[in-house]
Amino acid sequence: DGGITQSPKYLFRKEGQNVTLSCEQNLNHDAMYWYRQDPGQGLRLIYYSQIVNDFQKGDIAEGYSVSREKKESFPLTVTSAQKNPTAFYLCASSIAGVRYGYTFGSGTRLTVV
Amino acid sequence: QKEVEQNSGPLSVPEGAIASLNCTYSDRGSQSFFWYRQYSGKSPELIMFIYSNGDKEDGRFTAQLNKASQYVSLLIRDSQPSDSATYLCAVNPGYSSASKIIFGSGTRLSIRP
Repeated sequence: DGGITQSPKYLFRKEGQNVTLSCEQNLNHDAMYWYRQDPGQGLRLIYYSQIVNDFQKGDIAEGYSVSREKKESFPLTVTSAQKNPTAFYLCASSIAGVRYGYTFGSGTRLTVV
Repeated sequence: QKEVEQNSGPLSVPEGAIASLNCTYSDRGSQSFFWYRQYSGKSPELIMFIYSNGDKEDGRFTAQLNKASQYVSLLIRDSQPSDSATYLCAVNPGYSSASKIIFGSGTRLSIRP
């Protein structure tokens, strides 16, 4: 079945540590996205990529980094520069132009310990 | 002014009644409009999309779009307890941002037996 796989489901980060969240899709979608959701709030865009080897900052890119070396994969690194990383992270993909909306992965819940 | 605005709720509706969820958006050039359902702790799931003025029906769900008033709504007929969730309104805000979707903060819907 086609879909988006995010891993891990839960992740714990120590202060000063970098962590990487995985996102893989087999939908043959061109575009991929990372969103952050805080309790009781909407989704805020971190980074997005429309084609391989190219990506753009979203509204809250500071403290995060991404790569897009393969069409299927769009990993997100939460760096130590992100001072408040505890949140629910959602990866999504779409065809070019988002005409039919996004397909979301199941999410990664990141907690700072 | 937020780009996509929703009443946060909670909206409480008796089982079997019609639930009406509303959303306004600021970009008059917006092209595509989406409703996502998000259960607590889960990722959003696309339930409806609409592009043209008027109504679009799918089972118990009806999306309504009025571009002149910059207003989109979702009606849920014969509400069931399983409809209790947060509903996110989302908008593709026009050609300048054709590759991404802006989300509202969501309306929490509770169906009481």
